[in-house]
Amino acid sequence: DTEVTQTPKHLVMGMTNKKSLKCEQHMGHRAMYWYKQKAKKPPELMFVYSYEKLSINESVPSRFSPECPNSSLLNLHLHALQPEDSALYLCASSQVLRTLTPEAFFGQGTRLTVV
Amino acid sequence: AQTVTQSQPEMSVQEAETVTLSCTYDTSESDYYLFWYKQPPSRQMILVIRQEAYKQQNATENRFSVNFQKAAKSFSLKISDSQLGDAAMYFCAYRSRLTGANSKLTFGKGITLSVRP
Repeated sequence: DTEVTQTPKHLVMGMTNKKSLKCEQHMGHRAMYWYKQKAKKPPELMFVYSYEKLSINESVPSRFSPECPNSSLLNLHLHALQPEDSALYLCASSQVLRTLTPEAFFGQGTRLTVV
Repeated sequence: AQTVTQSQPEMSVQEAETVTLSCTYDTSESDYYLFWYKQPPSRQMILVIRQEAYKQQNATENRFSVNFQKAAKSFSLKISDSQLGDAAMYFCAYRSRLTGANSKLTFGKGITLSVRP
C-alpha cells in the first residue's frame, strides 16, 4: 500500500467555521507533512511531524492547528480562516532515517475555499 | 539553506519527441537526494524519478532519465517518446539525507509541460 489518503477532497467553509482536514497512511512512515499550494506554484511547507512530534512549523498562523494522534494519522484543524487561505492542501509522508526510499508520497489534496 | 531553481516556466513538445527540463540547485551538503515530481491537473504529486547524490550513475525509469552533474549542481530530466499523458507541471526537489529538521523537501518553482498531438 503506497497510498496517502486525504479527506475531504473539496471543502467550502465560512470565515467563522471550524473544520478539519484528515490524512492517513499505512506505509509505516514516521515523517508526515502538510503543504499549502496555490495554483501554478510549488507546494509551501507548513508543518513537519517526525515520530508524532512537531519538528517544523514554518511560521504558520495559529488559525491552522496540526495534530498527529498516531503514526498513521495527521490532522489539520482550521478556524477563523481568511479568503487568502483558499488553496490546495497537500499531505505527504516519508521515511525519516537514511533509507532506500527517501521520497515523499503525496495525497490527492483537499481543495479548500474560504468564503 | 538549500535552493532549487527551475528557470523555464513553460515548455512544449511534440508527441513522440524528446524534451529536457532543466533544474539547478545550491547546497553546501555533500549527501542528499534529488527528485522530479509530476503534478497533472488531477493535482496529485507523483514521483517520476529519484537520484542519490552519492551515485555517479544517472537514474532512469522507462522513458524518463536524468543528467546529474554534481559539481555543476545540475539535475535535468529527459522525457523520451513524449506522450499526451506527460502533460503536467513538473517540480524538481531536493532533500537532505540528514534526519530531523533537514528532512523536508525543497521545491523549485515548477515548469508546465504541454504535449502537442
